[in-house]
Amino acid sequence: QVQLKETGPDLVQLTQTLSITCTVSGFSLTTYNVHWVRQPPGKGLEWMGAMWNGGGTDYNSAFKSRLSISRDTSKSQVFLKMNSLQTEDTAKYFCARHFIDWGQGVMVTVSS
Amino acid sequence: DIVLTQAPLSVSVTPGESASISCRSSKSLLSSKGITSLYWYLQRPGKSPQLLIYQMSNLASGVPDRFSSSGSETDFTLKISKVETEDVGVYYCGHRLEYPYTFGAGTKLELK
Repeated sequence: QVQLKETGPDLVQLTQTLSITCTVSGFSLTTYNVHWVRQPPGKGLEWMGAMWNGGGTDYNSAFKSRLSISRDTSKSQVFLKMNSLQTEDTAKYFCARHFIDWGQGVMVTVSS
Repeated sequence: DIVLTQAPLSVSVTPGESASISCRSSKSLLSSKGITSLYWYLQRPGKSPQLLIYQMSNLASGVPDRFSSSGSETDFTLKISKVETEDVGVYYCGHRLEYPYTFGAGTKLELK
C-alpha cells in the first residue's frame, strides 16, 4: 500500500528556514517521482518542485534559489528545505507520488 | 508560465444531474510526443487532492466512469454525470507540459 507522510514544524519564524520530510512506503524512490505542492489557506495549488526517480531535481522558478529538494533512498525520505520564509509562505505543504498518491499535508504557519 | 483559467468558479448541482467544468490554457498542451498534458484533480473538503483524469481523457485508477474529460489543445471540459454526494469539493485542472507545472484556480462543486 502506497503511503506518504509529511512531517515538519507547525510554526516557523519570519526569515527562518523551513524543513519538511516526506516519508514514503509501498514504493521505491528510485522508481517513482515525488513532487512538492503547497496550498495557502483557502487558496489553490502551487507546484514547488520535484525529486525525480533518477535523483535529479527541478524547481518552480518562483522560489528562485531559496528552495532545495533532496532525498535519502535508504530511509525512503524526501526532504524540502526553503529559506528566507515570509508570511506568504504560510500554507499546507504536500508531497505526492507522481501526483497519484498524496500525503495528508503539513500546515506551516510563518509568524513574526 | 502557462495560465489555466477555470470556469465557473463555483457550480451548484442537484444530485443525479450533470455538471461541466471548463479549463482553458494560455498555451497548447499538446506535447511533441502527441500527449495532451492536461490533468484533473478533486480535492474533497479537508482532504488531499485526488487525481481523476490524466493526459486529458484517461480515467485514473478507481475513479468512477461518471467522470469524463475531453478537449482540444487549449480548451478542456470535465463532465460529471449523475452527480453524487461524494463529488462535492474543489476541482482543479493542471498541466505538466513544461516548468513550472501550474494549476487552475479551482471550481467549487456544491449540491443544491
